[in-house]
Amino acid sequence: GNSVTQMQGQVTLSEEEFLFINCTYSTTGYPTLFWYVQYPGEGPQLLLKVTTANNKGSSRGFEATYDKGTTSFHLQKASVQESDSAVYYCVLGRMSNYNVLYFGSGTKLTVEP
Amino acid sequence: EAAVTQSPRSKVAVTGGKVTLSCHQTNNHDYMYWYRQDTGHGLRLIHYSYVADSTEKGDIPDGYKASRPSQENFSLILELASLSQTAVYFCASSRDWGSSYEQYFGPGTRLTVL
Repeated sequence: GNSVTQMQGQVTLSEEEFLFINCTYSTTGYPTLFWYVQYPGEGPQLLLKVTTANNKGSSRGFEATYDKGTTSFHLQKASVQESDSAVYYCVLGRMSNYNVLYFGSGTKLTVEP
Repeated sequence: EAAVTQSPRSKVAVTGGKVTLSCHQTNNHDYMYWYRQDTGHGLRLIHYSYVADSTEKGDIPDGYKASRPSQENFSLILELASLSQTAVYFCASSRDWGSSYEQYFGPGTRLTVL
């Protein structure tokens, strides 16, 4: 089946520190992988997308890279800001199946000033 | 700007009662989805629809029905609400073509079943 595992439930950093969130996925074929971000009181919104064609994606200072060999997908940012505090979801997309998404359990990032 | 709205934003229901959650999108998207969010589980897909008057089961459809009377509207129905259905519910929409395949989410409905 399709599944995503995020082991880091919570991450606390100080401003300007380096962020690294990892996840692993299980699926068949060629998935599209996403990172969605959710701010308090809102629905999730797309942060960035990575396809099997390019292996990397970036947006708003965040970068994501996926490794098909280890079926891992990580998100990083060189210097976090307090405004980056949110929940980050690793998401597996099956575009061949009506764009259905499979969410990881999420990583709550808290950035302290 | 993509727009998905949900109503109500918050609801308290009694066990065994009927609950209907509504979703409306103005994105002209063909695909719509219902998810529930529970602490520690992320979002899980309940039902989805790729065309009006048709719905499909997602990963956790038991205890839920869905209705898609038009392209713009998608409802989630709990015929006999139970305590275990207390959660935050999100609706989303997506286009069926193009390279983005992004899902646009509504603000969520917080449902409490007592």
